[in-house]
Amino acid sequence: KAGVTQTPRYLIKTRGQQVTLSCSPISGHRSVSWYQQTPGQGLQFLFEYFSETQRNKGNFPGRFSGRQFSNSRSEMNVSTLELGDSALYLCASSLGLAEGYNEQFFGPGTRLTVL
Amino acid sequence: GNSVTQMEGPVTLSEEAFLTINCTYTATGYPSLFWYVQYPGEGLQLLLKATKADDKGSNKGFEATYRKETTSFHLEKGSVQVSDSAVYFCALSDYRRGQNFVFGPGTRLSVLP
Repeated sequence: KAGVTQTPRYLIKTRGQQVTLSCSPISGHRSVSWYQQTPGQGLQFLFEYFSETQRNKGNFPGRFSGRQFSNSRSEMNVSTLELGDSALYLCASSLGLAEGYNEQFFGPGTRLTVL
Repeated sequence: GNSVTQMEGPVTLSEEAFLTINCTYTATGYPSLFWYVQYPGEGLQLLLKATKADDKGSNKGFEATYRKETTSFHLEKGSVQVSDSAVYFCALSDYRRGQNFVFGPGTRLSVLP
């Protein structure tokens, strides 16, 4: 079974630009969560999508947005990039069941550098 | 809100030494607890988990016991190997409250031959 894939793996942008990151979950998984990992703040939850709807949201500004498609693939968009947005962006997928424990499987991440 | 605290390291050990990485948590409700490992250039991999008090998670020689009375989930391994060098994250999740993972800051472990 293929794991979670993220594209691109590396990205370099300049301040003010926008960027779109993509995540393909494990087949059959309907929940996709996004996390930002930085040396200073560690791993922080951005948002979760389930069946094309945002189900949970972390404490990030509106410049960070996402969406999920009918095939469960998800994209994350960051507009008006700032230097502080440089980070590893991790995507995780799970079955997303309403009851019970849902193990999350992480992708390798997209390394975004903002110059 | 929920939070996780863990020793930040770095931790440097010789091969075959005993490893303990402390993790404590603050949570309302009854979270599940996890240890994830991140090898250089890779995403996070689930190492072990415990979903209720007194559960012991174990995998690849690593163990951790969910201690509700001390709100702790310390990671231990009796004999580390060079290949265990990585960053270890303690995390919690309370699916009953619709919450996603809250991670600790991570502990970098270096094992020397």
